[in-house]
Amino acid sequence: EPEVTQTPSHQVTQMGQEVILRCVPISNHLYFYWYRQILGQKVEFLVSFYNNEISEKSEIFDDQFSVERPDGSNFTLKIRSTKLEDSAMYFCASSLDRDHGYTFGSGTRLTVV
Amino acid sequence: GIQVEQSPPDLILQEGANSTLRCNFSDSVNNLQWFHQNPWGQLINLFYIPSGTKQNGRLSATTVATERYSLLYISSSQTTDSGVYFCAVGDYNQGGKLIFGQGTELSVKP
Repeated sequence: EPEVTQTPSHQVTQMGQEVILRCVPISNHLYFYWYRQILGQKVEFLVSFYNNEISEKSEIFDDQFSVERPDGSNFTLKIRSTKLEDSAMYFCASSLDRDHGYTFGSGTRLTVV
Repeated sequence: GIQVEQSPPDLILQEGANSTLRCNFSDSVNNLQWFHQNPWGQLINLFYIPSGTKQNGRLSATTVATERYSLLYISSSQTTDSGVYFCAVGDYNQGGKLIFGQGTELSVKP
């Protein structure tokens, strides 16, 4: 079964550093998403991406965050200057279209120290 | 926005028991999915079920969209079923993002 692949699985970074989280969505999917889950809390929507542009973003997704699809396969989330409160599990997801469910990746656990 | 409530918040079962998890949502949706988050944090897609009934082995789910709820049934539970079960809903006419419930934490004891 096709998978959404995320790398790295775990990243530790110093506060103030930039991080890039990488995702390879399922190859024929058209809609891409980032979600995050702070430890012990529910999963929260960050941003959706379609047709090479952001289609929706939450209030969490401020100027410190950006997304990019630099080529035909990768989808990245960049956090410019990490804060302690950015520590969370970050999930990438993709979907074929609006009549199919989302497939989530295994997540990247980001720890900011 | 759409509100999602899951019940119960916690559930402890003996291996072999059956259980029903409930998801209520506050508005009409055209996407509903059930996920299992395993102890390693991975979100495993169980069902895409905006309406109707589906079965996959010991798991089945039913969504009654007109009454705004969905049920996940786990039969003959196993210790590997432990983890958190999330319901997530969305409306494509309002952007399509999934709104997650708080989850039901299931613990199956041997």
